[in-house]
Amino acid sequence: AQKITQTQPGMFVQEKEAVTLDCTYDTSDQSYGLFWYKQPSSGEMIFLIYQGSYDEQNATEGRYSLNFQKARKSANLVISASQLGDSAMYFCAMRDHHTGRRALTFGSGTRLQVQP
Amino acid sequence: ETGVTQTPRHLVMGMTNKKSLKCEQHLGHNAMYWYKQSAKKPLELMFVYSLEERVENNSVPSRFSPECPNSSHLFLHLHTLQPEDSALYLCASSQGLAGTQETQYFGPGTRLLVL
Repeated sequence: AQKITQTQPGMFVQEKEAVTLDCTYDTSDQSYGLFWYKQPSSGEMIFLIYQGSYDEQNATEGRYSLNFQKARKSANLVISASQLGDSAMYFCAMRDHHTGRRALTFGSGTRLQVQP
Repeated sequence: ETGVTQTPRHLVMGMTNKKSLKCEQHLGHNAMYWYKQSAKKPLELMFVYSLEERVENNSVPSRFSPECPNSSHLFLHLHTLQPEDSALYLCASSQGLAGTQETQYFGPGTRLLVL
């Protein structure tokens, strides 16, 4: 069963506007971590932001914030004031202990294109 | 210096060749990972090493052989690959494996094309 779902294969946003990238997850664990990564065309996966399942506050890192709704099992990434350099693939990922796996489970990604 | 480096960045090989991918992390981490990213598929975990010991092998064919001589270096030895093995191979590292909060930091990847 798929554990991370990103329903938006592609998104467009105008420069300087905010955009929300959706992510829903599935786990039976109480303790888990949620991550967002950015992958430009160069290939490198760049860590953006982390949210722990017990964190009471939504995570923020500069222009990135995470809209964490635990009951709905969603962890949407919000990018404020989009820049042309934000054009990239964005991946939501999760780490839990349910299967004993030690690595991240990734979603299929959303391609964001920022238009001038 | 970049946290996680990978060489080569691009590799073209025939099905009978033997090649190796190298990963080096400069973050003082204890865990390292190999992932495979094929076109239009989510990242797939291949191997996990912790303190130079392999702790996870995700049903990877034996034509891929990992090696971790120390906590800073990770290799992926390739032999008799198939065209479907063409992909982006990403190396990552994390401080440890213990908690769900462990952040993985990735290298730039090696784009492999098997002819």
